[in-house]
Amino acid sequence: DAKTTQPPSMDCAEGRAANLPCNHSTISGNEYVYWYRQIHSQGPQYIIHGLKNNETNEMASLIITEDRKSSTLILPHATLRDTAVYYCIVRVGYQAGTALIFGKGTTLSVSS
Amino acid sequence: DAGVTQSPTHLIKTRGQQVTLRCSPKSGHDTVSWYQQALGQGPQFIFQYYEEEERQRGNFPDRFSGHQFPNYSSELNVNALLLGDSALYLCASSFMKGAESYGYTFGSGTRLTVV
Repeated sequence: DAKTTQPPSMDCAEGRAANLPCNHSTISGNEYVYWYRQIHSQGPQYIIHGLKNNETNEMASLIITEDRKSSTLILPHATLRDTAVYYCIVRVGYQAGTALIFGKGTTLSVSS
Repeated sequence: DAGVTQSPTHLIKTRGQQVTLRCSPKSGHDTVSWYQQALGQGPQFIFQYYEEEERQRGNFPDRFSGHQFPNYSSELNVNALLLGDSALYLCASSFMKGAESYGYTFGSGTRLTVV
């Protein structure tokens, strides 16, 4: 079962920051939060991941609340090519390995 | 450096038939996971293979089975196909460190249509 909840859709103007929220209130202490995006039913593309500290890379920033029950993905300057479905994912640990458990995702539409 | 390669890209099968999908992992990766993505839904975890063994399985029936070869490539087999098996099947490779997988990289998927 999915461990994340996201709004089904969001809009953003080109050049503005896109802030995508995610709730993961049942996350366990050693479970990472991952963000991937998917364009036109291609394979999901990695964006960023984190455990409890805020993270930044060339694509985005990830802000995780102190209680780890929610996070926000920030695309600092959205472009038309950022239009995609964005998945907030928890990496769940099992006895013999780990698995990425996807939610339903947020469809981000960037317009000019 | 080749990423994750899946074949075929598209496939049409008849209800009741069997199908085999193939995945070659990214160089340096030793673990393969399979996902099913129905239209308009997020990917659902089927199972994960490491050291040629199934390590973890999602909520899928035994009609779904797999295999991993010594070169880390993998196959997904689905028997007795149902119309509801129509979906995009995604392969993700990663590397195992301890009991945790890192570096998940997805292929472009195989689009299976069951008629």
